Amino acid sequence: GESVGLHLPTLSVQEGDNSIINCAYSNSASDYFIWYKQESGKGPQFIIDIRSNMDKRQGQRVTVLLNKTVKHLSLQIAATQPGDSAVYFCAESGGSNYKLTFGKGTLLTVNP
Amino acid sequence: EPEVTQTPSHQVTQMGQEVILRCVPISNHLYFYWYRQILGQKVEFLVSFYNNEISEKSEIFDDQFSVERPDGSNFTLKIRSTKLEDSAMYFCASSVNPRGMENTEAFFGQGTRLTVV
Repeated sequence: GESVGLHLPTLSVQEGDNSIINCAYSNSASDYFIWYKQESGKGPQFIIDIRSNMDKRQGQRVTVLLNKTVKHLSLQIAATQPGDSAVYFCAESGGSNYKLTFGKGTLLTVNP
Repeated sequence: EPEVTQTPSHQVTQMGQEVILRCVPISNHLYFYWYRQILGQKVEFLVSFYNNEISEKSEIFDDQFSVERPDGSNFTLKIRSTKLEDSAMYFCASSVNPRGMENTEAFFGQGTRLTVV
């Protein structure tokens, strides 16, 4: 079936570096994408979203890039901080109005 | 800041027993969801709920599962006869609107860890 998946299960960066987390999706009907951050023992926390009519969207220290041609989504975190250490999930809403399909998650570890 | 709250934080139950997981969505939100996350795995959609009825459900959400909004603030997930494989973290979420509109992002609660023994 169609799915959302992540290229890298783990990513380790130095504090202050930029981080890039990647995600591939296969559902061609996907038109809405979200990045969530999940810290240990907590629920997913909304970071940023993007609709398919956009290629790029920026938030505070985060940027999401969408390449619909290759069905690829990325999350860029600028000046990564120890507090950014978490599992990051991409999710897509595809043809549904109500549900999110999550990817497997990437564990980001920020070394001081 | 408004948040989705879930109780209990941890529930241990014997196989075959019924459990009810409780959620209080954000007060002005109209769409409610349950997701689950088996340890170390991805978050999986169970069900969405709007206007006192199910909008969409996944294959996981079989006859053993039900949802209810018993009053104006609570949203519950009931598992009638728990199985060992129901052990997971269950997340409630809510949003103002569904996808395709503004304010569509879903806000998640802290989760209830269900352990079936």
